[in-house]
Amino acid sequence: AQRVTQPEKLLSVFKGAPVELKCNYSYSGSPELFWYVQYSRQRLQLLLRHISRESIKGFTADLNKGETSFHLKKPFAQEEDSAMYYCALRDTDKLIFGTGTRLQVFP
Amino acid sequence: SAVISQKPSRDICQRGTSLTIQCQVDSQVTMMFWYRQQPGQSLTLIATANQGSEATYESGFVIDKFPISRPNLTFSTLTVSNMSPEDSSIYLCSVERAGQIPVSTFGSGTRLTVV
Repeated sequence: AQRVTQPEKLLSVFKGAPVELKCNYSYSGSPELFWYVQYSRQRLQLLLRHISRESIKGFTADLNKGETSFHLKKPFAQEEDSAMYYCALRDTDKLIFGTGTRLQVFP
Repeated sequence: SAVISQKPSRDICQRGTSLTIQCQVDSQVTMMFWYRQQPGQSLTLIATANQGSEATYESGFVIDKFPISRPNLTFSTLTVSNMSPEDSSIYLCSVERAGQIPVSTFGSGTRLTVV
């Protein structure tokens, strides 16, 4: 079955520390993967997608098909990165979301 | 990206009643979706709202409980019928921008509490 797993509910780091939010997926086919972010009192919004191989707000994510992972990374966390992060997998027309990881960045 | 207006933003409802949530988009979109996010859980797709035809429901969701309308390419409604406390959730409208890489945009959500 198609599934997205985010093993950490909460990740707390200090400002300037590296961050890695884990995402593993199960999908029979070539996956399309996304990271969505929800800042406090804001709507859910797209952060980045694997196919674009882009860096947004210093975040990157590499698709590792061997490990079926799409971890989100940032070398130096900022306080404004504190938010809820969701990994998502496209299955035909719909998105399958992970349970989310709350990132807290302390000053 | 498309701008989505979703209302109401929140409501507290009595059990047994129904609530209709509206989703208005500032441009025509092909795909519109309705999601539910129960407390402490992830987003789960309820249904795809199809313009001019019946919505396509995901496993575990039925039309009698969650009737959906989509009269045109910019508007949809989701009704939560005969509510119970278990229906307390955030309900989100989402639209998909067509393109080589479809990207989903979300409304601000409706926080529903059933008492």
